[in-house]
Amino acid sequence: DAGVTQSPTHLIKTRGQHVTLRCSPISGHKSVSWYQQVLGQGPQFIFQYYEKEERGRGNFPDRFSARQFPNYSSELNVNALLLGDSALYLCASSLEQFSYEQYFGPGTRLTVT
Amino acid sequence: EDQVTQSPEALRLQEGESSSLNCSYTVSGLRGLFWYRQDPGKGPEFLFTLYSAGEEKEKERLKATLTKKESFLHITAPKPEDSATYLCAVLLIKAAGNKLTFGGGTRVLVKP
Repeated sequence: DAGVTQSPTHLIKTRGQHVTLRCSPISGHKSVSWYQQVLGQGPQFIFQYYEKEERGRGNFPDRFSARQFPNYSSELNVNALLLGDSALYLCASSLEQFSYEQYFGPGTRLTVT
Repeated sequence: EDQVTQSPEALRLQEGESSSLNCSYTVSGLRGLFWYRQDPGKGPEFLFTLYSAGEEKEKERLKATLTKKESFLHITAPKPEDSATYLCAVLLIKAAGNKLTFGGGTRVLVKP
């Protein structure tokens, strides 16, 4: 069975640019959450999407946005990139909005120069 | 403010040397506590879910326990392949939605 997939694996961008990261959840899972993990720290919650609607938002600026598509895949967009946005971006899928168990993808490593 | 703290930050063990990792939390709206294992450059791998104080879960050399304010991950007779960062997270149900709040992790290195 395919797990959570994310693309691209690695990405290098310049300050001020825009980036789009993609996530496909486990088949049958309807909820997708996004996390940012800075090197040496635990992941920090950015968004949760369920049935194409935002259901939760962490403490991140409006430069971060996301959406979920009818097939439950999701995109995370970050505008006006800053050096501090360099991190591993993780996507996690769960069966329903309030499912307790979340399964993570391999992440996208974003480097901002 | 919801907080999850893990200790120690790093742990160096000899193969076979058992030890325990701590995860303490001060949160409201707790619905579950999770342990994940993370290898370098990879996403967290789910290990255990604990829902109520007194609950215990085991998997191979790992055993997780939960009290009202903290959880422990016991590693019994570890092997080098147990080297990883172990993350704990609490699931919070808020009006704005549910989310996982993670601790900073414990980096475990098991030397042969």
